[in-house]
Amino acid sequence: AAGVIQSPRHLIKEKRETATLKCYPIPRHDTVYWYQQGPGQDPQFLISFYEKMQSDKGSIPDRFSAQQFSDYHSELNMSSLELGDSALYFCASSSGSVYGYTFGSGTRLTVV
Amino acid sequence: DAKTTQPTSMDCAEGRAANLPCNHSTISGNEYVYWYRQIHSQGPQYIIHGLKNNETNEMASLIITEDRKSSTLILPHATLRDTAVYYCIVRLRGAGNQFYFGTGTSLTVIP
Repeated sequence: AAGVIQSPRHLIKEKRETATLKCYPIPRHDTVYWYQQGPGQDPQFLISFYEKMQSDKGSIPDRFSAQQFSDYHSELNMSSLELGDSALYFCASSSGSVYGYTFGSGTRLTVV
Repeated sequence: DAKTTQPTSMDCAEGRAANLPCNHSTISGNEYVYWYRQIHSQGPQYIIHGLKNNETNEMASLIITEDRKSSTLILPHATLRDTAVYYCIVRLRGAGNQFYFGTGTSLTVIP
């Protein structure tokens, strides 16, 4: 079965650079969620999109932005990167059913 | 969403049942209980969910107390591959209702 695809798997950036993470949801899933997980921490909700519109916002820094495109894939744009942005970034998708949602394998971002 | 309380860590012998408790005393009537697990740095994996009744699937069983203020996830025959952090989450059903992860229980299955 198709899963949530995230790219790239690993990314190394320098401070003050920008990064773009991509997420391709499971086909026919209309909702995408982004999470950030720092070293030794639990996943923290950043932002979600439903039918290409932002549906909720969590602890997403102002330096970050995201959008969902017409094909339902989503991109998380991160600017002015800081060392503290080093983390695993997970994307998840759902169809709004009671079964919750499916996570991707994540992108590991390292800021040096 | 209601907050949940879980033990920080637990050990379980391989082949034995692992019983992971969760308290959610402020759960509302239309909130579901979900369990996810995260195996070292992988994406969280859905295990099971329930509203009122006990549930069972190929991975686990979920026992929810009658007052719904607590639940227990049961892995009937734990294997080394079940070593992971297990998250108990309560949330409303439906799109846009994101999961808020708490601290979770770090389960170690011992050979």
